[in-house]
Amino acid sequence: AQTVTQSQPEMSVQEAETVTLSCTYDTSESDYYLFWYKQPPSRQMILVIRQEAYKQQNATENRFSVNFQKAAKSFSLKISDSQLGDAAMYFCAYRSAFNNNDMRFGAGTRLTVKP
Amino acid sequence: EAGVAQSPRYKIIEKRQSVAFWCNPISGHATLYWYQQILGQGPKLLIQFQNNGVVDDSQLPKDRFSAERLKGVDSTLKIQPAKLEDSAVYLCASRASGQGRDNEQFFGPGTRLTVL
Repeated sequence: AQTVTQSQPEMSVQEAETVTLSCTYDTSESDYYLFWYKQPPSRQMILVIRQEAYKQQNATENRFSVNFQKAAKSFSLKISDSQLGDAAMYFCAYRSAFNNNDMRFGAGTRLTVKP
Repeated sequence: EAGVAQSPRYKIIEKRQSVAFWCNPISGHATLYWYQQILGQGPKLLIQFQNNGVVDDSQLPKDRFSAERLKGVDSTLKIQPAKLEDSAVYLCASRASGQGRDNEQFFGPGTRLTVL
């Protein structure tokens, strides 16, 4: 079974600085999708970024980018120029390309942004 | 475009009582999901609907949990009777057909359930 591991329960960053959140996963499948979701105190899960496993190019969305290392099964999220509004829980997630209902989430990393 | 709506936002009940949650997905989204998110953990899928049919309910505790999606739009999730360990946030998500980024899951704000 696929598992997603986030080894950093909490992280903090100074406003305007850069922070990297770690995620590793375990799978025997060759095709899949990886995601980072943001969950602020309002509890609404918001999709931050998505990576397709067959694409070698790392996904980017404005200040958010990923470092996808397929062989190492690593998928880290880099947040540049951190803003106070970035403070939230961040969840890494895996979804099989063959089974759309098989979505697995990590335990989350709580990001604090210091002014 | 309106997002996924859920109600109520909060619910407090005593153990052995019953409770129901409601979800209205984004218009046109055929797939609907219910997740349970226990404090300090990531969401765990309970049940997935495709239109009004169940695709996957393998992790739904069927002795006490039930869900339905009549007419393939709104959905309700019921717990009867509730246990202390059911205290969690219940998230609803919906998804359109297709494989693009815009076809990923969109989540509602969740219902926080506290069982005393």
